Amino acid sequence: DIQMTQSPSFLSASVGDRVTITCRASQSISNYLNWYQHKPGKAPKFLIYGASSLQSGVPSRFSGSGSGTDFTLTISSLQPEDFATYYCQQSYSTLYTFGQGTKLEIK
Amino acid sequence: EVQLVESGGGLVQPGRSLRLSCATSGFTFDDYAMHWVRQAAGRGLEWVSGISWNSGSMDYADSVKGRFTISRDNAKNSLYLQMNSLRPEDTAFYYCVQGYYYGSGSYYKYPNDALNIWGQGTMVTVSS
Repeated sequence: DIQMTQSPSFLSASVGDRVTITCRASQSISNYLNWYQHKPGKAPKFLIYGASSLQSGVPSRFSGSGSGTDFTLTISSLQPEDFATYYCQQSYSTLYTFGQGTKLEIK
Repeated sequence: EVQLVESGGGLVQPGRSLRLSCATSGFTFDDYAMHWVRQAAGRGLEWVSGISWNSGSMDYADSVKGRFTISRDNAKNSLYLQMNSLRPEDTAFYYCVQGYYYGSGSYYKYPNDALNIWGQGTMVTVSS
């Protein structure tokens, strides 16, 4: 199975900050890497596919990059509604796996 | 409007079975791969199983392989998850998810999709 490792697990930041979350795959997954935002009590929201393509309706302050084994999610200027848990997920193999999540909290 | 509505969750004893259903509407069901994803309390998201549009390709997380079976009925626009030999560690909120294929022309449109539209979920509790 492909293991996905996110860092950091917790991140404290302020409104307006630029933040970056990293995700590493245990083997090359080309660009089959997706990002999600999850808030308590709600269904997860699909943000980015193919490592860097923004899903329709997602604000442009979100961006993704990377290929192979190393990927990043960047939020250029944090907004109050961005405080949530973020997950990466690989869809390279038929057995999908998520990273453990990064909880983004207000400083 | 795209809708995915899960049902079939509840309280079940260890070792027993449960069948989850996901009724969908608002899109052409047999154009999409579909998935089940779960989240236990205080834990992260865990992909459980996925199935191609025509049921020709499917897979399972190691934690459920051999116990869970995913299936779909394209005539009824519905997705299912048969869960056998349930364990306390299967206790979680289970989501039905529509795939968004962005790969390079696979006939099955799976793998290489993203987890696009999520249902609201159904709770499964395995306890004696």
